[in-house]
Amino acid sequence: AQSVTQLDSQVPVFEEAPVELRCNYSSSVSVYLFWYVQYPNQGLQLLLKYLSGSTLVKGINGFEAEFNKSQTSFHLRKPSVHISDTAEYFCAVSGTSYGKLTFGQGTILTVHP
Amino acid sequence: NAGVTQTPKFRVLKTGQSMTLLCAQDMNHEYMYWYRQDPGMGLRLIHYSVGEGTTAKGEVPDGYNVSRLKKQNFLLGLESAAPSQTSVYFCASSLGTGPGNTIYFGEGSWLTVV
Repeated sequence: AQSVTQLDSQVPVFEEAPVELRCNYSSSVSVYLFWYVQYPNQGLQLLLKYLSGSTLVKGINGFEAEFNKSQTSFHLRKPSVHISDTAEYFCAVSGTSYGKLTFGQGTILTVHP
Repeated sequence: NAGVTQTPKFRVLKTGQSMTLLCAQDMNHEYMYWYRQDPGMGLRLIHYSVGEGTTAKGEVPDGYNVSRLKKQNFLLGLESAAPSQTSVYFCASSLGTGPGNTIYFGEGSWLTVV
């Protein structure tokens, strides 16, 4: 069984500040890890994914995430956020059944001017 | 590019009524999924399908039925709606289940049961 915990339900930041959205997972098998973004009244869009290889993964819109196996974490970071990054972000994990994603509770990122 | 399309986008039902949500994808994907999204709980898998004519239960299947009569369509049915089924429903699809496949989501269907 897999589970995902997003440690912050809401993260307010000012424009151009750095941000980190935290995600921890648990799984008894090797996992694939994902971050999705959901803008208001829209569906989910894939930001980035970790499948294997380099633990630092770069995604769209300047986001990156680092897979840390020893800490079972997959935190999402951006060095300088924009107003347009305001959205809800979901961390997700899948095991051997790739398509069956287990999602975290979501983190609402609000970027203030 | 249509991608994954869900209809209807909004619906209000009375307790006990039935309805069907339709999901259509034009990417020739084999795998399709229905998720529900509730505040503070992320998305939870209701049912999924690994190909035309197949369906399987996900994490929260009770109170829902699904059908995949055509490869491009995946229907989610509520036979007797309950207020606990008030949620946002997302359909998704993927070409396969290997790590190189991306899961594509529809824009959601907002359902309120009163």
